[in-house]
Amino acid sequence: DAGVIQSPRHEVTEMGQEVTLRCKPISGHNSLFWYRQTMMRGLELLIYFNNNVPIDDSGMPEDRFSAKMPNASFSTLKIQPSEPRDSAVYFCASTASGTYNEQFFGPGTRLTVL
Amino acid sequence: DQQVKQNSPSLSVQEGRISILNCDYTNSMFDYFLWYKKYPAEGPTFLISISSIKDKNEDGRFTVFLNKSAKHLSLHIVPSQPGDSAVYFCARGSSNTGKLIFGQGTTLQVKP
Repeated sequence: DAGVIQSPRHEVTEMGQEVTLRCKPISGHNSLFWYRQTMMRGLELLIYFNNNVPIDDSGMPEDRFSAKMPNASFSTLKIQPSEPRDSAVYFCASTASGTYNEQFFGPGTRLTVL
Repeated sequence: DQQVKQNSPSLSVQEGRISILNCDYTNSMFDYFLWYKKYPAEGPTFLISISSIKDKNEDGRFTVFLNKSAKHLSLHIVPSQPGDSAVYFCARGSSNTGKLIFGQGTTLQVKP
């Protein structure tokens, strides 16, 4: 079975550009999470969805960040405009309800904003 | 408000010895803790968990201890192997929300 799929794996862009990160959760999982990993702050939860509905976006840094989940098999995290401090590894994770929160992570997208 | 803290950014251990990774937490409202392991260029993978009603959970070489009075969690790996070299994250979870709050991670190096 395929795990969580993220694309692209690496993204290099210039400050001010729009960046879109993509995630396909594991089939049958109904919760999806976006995380950001940095040296300073470790692994931070940005937003999560239950049954395609955003439940908690309190971790989203600012209005430049937005996330959508138009259906059960696809989610995007968008940064517009991007800034150098957004450089980080962004992970998507999914889980099925009732699994006591063992989340399955994708391989991550390494974002570099120049 | 860092609810989960891993105060040691790194740990180096000789192969065959015990590795002890530590985690402190500040909020008692949780259902369970989890440990994740992360290799470079990969996403974190689940390792072991412990519910709030227990004080110990064991799975092969991995044992997690929970000291609720001290608000302290530890992961013991014995014997340590070079393949255990990775970043280890502790996380607290709530079955109500589904959210996990992660610590900053500890990099473990097991030397042959």
